[in-house]
Amino acid sequence: LAKTTQPISMDSYEGQEVNITCSHNNIATNDYITWYQQFPSQGPRFIIQGYKTKVTNEVASLFIPADRKSSTLSLPRVSLSDTAVYYCLVGDGPKTGNTPLVFGKGTRLSVIA
Amino acid sequence: DADVTQTPRNRITKTGKRIMLECSQTKGHDRMYWYRQDPGLGLRLIYYSFDVKDINKGEISDGYSVSRQAQAKFSLSLESAIPNQTALYFCATSGTRTGDYGYTFGSGTRLTVV
Repeated sequence: LAKTTQPISMDSYEGQEVNITCSHNNIATNDYITWYQQFPSQGPRFIIQGYKTKVTNEVASLFIPADRKSSTLSLPRVSLSDTAVYYCLVGDGPKTGNTPLVFGKGTRLSVIA
Repeated sequence: DADVTQTPRNRITKTGKRIMLECSQTKGHDRMYWYRQDPGLGLRLIYYSFDVKDINKGEISDGYSVSRQAQAKFSLSLESAIPNQTALYFCATSGTRTGDYGYTFGSGTRLTVV
């Protein structure tokens, strides 16, 4: 499985756009990139998944450059309720693949009023 | 009702005791997982099962065992609990059907071994 590297923590003010970048230099051809969000004392929640270029849903956007060695999760106009840990994961297959996902330490986002 | 239900939500047990954590799901997913989370360490995989007859060890299976009683049920046992197994335990499921994206996690079981 490709190893991922992401910042340990980030701070942002309410209303700002937050971009969290994840590097995955060893991503394989059939790997997809998935981001999860975890609130304290809750299980992680799927946010978004992509393979290349840009994916957008009601929660976030995911930008993946052509070389796919990195990806950026973009959260528009964050609020206090977006304070959470965000995990970047790389795995085979379009959904969950045939290998269990490996969660690193994630990025702890703190949104300040 | 939650898609993935874990019981108990909280448990305090003594060193050496056997304890079982239970997980049931209504997602209809074939794949189920047990993860452990310690402060600042992310989630670590204990065991996983891709169908009822399939059981696989994860990265930290020592001291744990599992049972996949049915498609919807996957339980985790600590045969003889020790204090360093104090952690937050999560069960998760995943599917392979079109539209099944990502893992669905339960709310977790907070286990304290004293």
